[in-house]
Amino acid sequence: SQTIHQWPATLVQPVGSPLSLECTVEGTSNPNLYWYRQAAGRGLQLLFYSVGIGQISSEVPQNLSASRPQDRQFILSSKKLLLSDSGFYLCAWTERTTDTQYFGPGTRLTVL
Amino acid sequence: GQNIDQPTEMTATEGAIVQINCTYQTSGFNGLFWYQQHAGEAPTFLSYNVLDGLEEKGRFSSFLSRSKGYSYLLLKELQMKDSASYLCAVLNQAGTALIFGKGTTLSVSS
Repeated sequence: SQTIHQWPATLVQPVGSPLSLECTVEGTSNPNLYWYRQAAGRGLQLLFYSVGIGQISSEVPQNLSASRPQDRQFILSSKKLLLSDSGFYLCAWTERTTDTQYFGPGTRLTVL
Repeated sequence: GQNIDQPTEMTATEGAIVQINCTYQTSGFNGLFWYQQHAGEAPTFLSYNVLDGLEEKGRFSSFLSRSKGYSYLLLKELQMKDSASYLCAVLNQAGTALIFGKGTTLSVSS
């Protein structure tokens, strides 16, 4: 069966510090991968998606970036965090036969 | 543009039936999803509709009318553990991304 991992689970970072969040999927190959952010009291916002290694599409311009160095690994990064980057970051993968997205456990980021 | 509307909050009692509505106006449509999200946790998949009609899965059912841009999630025999946020999401025309509504927070009381 497929599983999706994210780490760390929680993170507290100062403004201006760098960020690296990692997501890995097991039990499937060539999945579509996604990064979402959920700010307090707001809906899920799609940040990036990837249909393959090195292929990244950005949905919103901001100080975040994403990379996919391996088939089942998706990384979210920032060089300098802003207060507004605080939120719940969720990675998801798509089962291609049904287009159903399955979410990882998430990383709760607080920028102080 | 892309717009997905759901009520912000709903309340119900144990054992009751509740219907959560979702209307959408999107530039493309390739299916509609419902997810459940408990506080502090990740969303979990509930249902998927791509054709008009009702999909039933245990206590949960989901309905879609593509011509009306309308869906609902029906929860029967409500339990306290059903207290959660319910997210409606539309898959875009390319099938590459989900567009989420802001979610409906359901509170179930005894």
